[in-house]
Amino acid sequence: SQKIEQNSEALNIQEGKTATLTCNYTNYSPAYLQWYRQDPGRGPVFLLLIRENEKEKRKERLKVTFDTTLKQSLFHITASQPADSATYLCAPSNTGKLIFGQGTTLQVKP
Amino acid sequence: GAGVSQSPRYKVAKRGQDVALRCDPISGHVSLFWYQQALGQGPEFLTYFQNEAQLDKSGLPSDRFFAERPEGSVSTLKIQRTQQEDSAVYLCASSLDSSRGGWSNQPQHFGDGTRLSIL
Repeated sequence: SQKIEQNSEALNIQEGKTATLTCNYTNYSPAYLQWYRQDPGRGPVFLLLIRENEKEKRKERLKVTFDTTLKQSLFHITASQPADSATYLCAPSNTGKLIFGQGTTLQVKP
Repeated sequence: GAGVSQSPRYKVAKRGQDVALRCDPISGHVSLFWYQQALGQGPEFLTYFQNEAQLDKSGLPSDRFFAERPEGSVSTLKIQRTQQEDSAVYLCASSLDSSRGGWSNQPQHFGDGTRLSIL
């Protein structure tokens, strides 16, 4: 069955550093992959979508890569800020039926 | 409204009671999704509507769960004879339609969910 793995342990980094989150998937070949941010008590908020024919996508301080050979996506936040602290969810998919990983919690310390 | 609205935000019910959770999607959004999120986990798909048609209900855990969207806008998720394992956050999301085999692959806009607690 389809399986998605994200760093289960929280990621703690210092303000100003680059945060890198990993999303690995097995047993399927998604046509695209979405990343969402979720704050406590709130619904997920869409950040970026990358398609299988795109190696990399950027939006302001965010960068996402999609390696279909490794079956992996990396999510980078450069010049991280305390306001970036949240849980980040990846969702590799072939349809609108999103299958989410369990999320990685990022804590950026001032 | 500006975003997806869900009500109530919190619902406490006794085991065995029926509950109804409401979702108001973004106006004009064709696709509507329901997800269930357990503590510390990512959301899990329950069901999907395109307008009023329920195209996929494969994620509904049991026949106690029922969803409808009769006029292609507001949707209701109903849980009958609630059990303690039904306790979770129920999220609704909507998106524009970008047909890909009948599915939308557009970004989804989520509400803040209904936190359901079954005593």
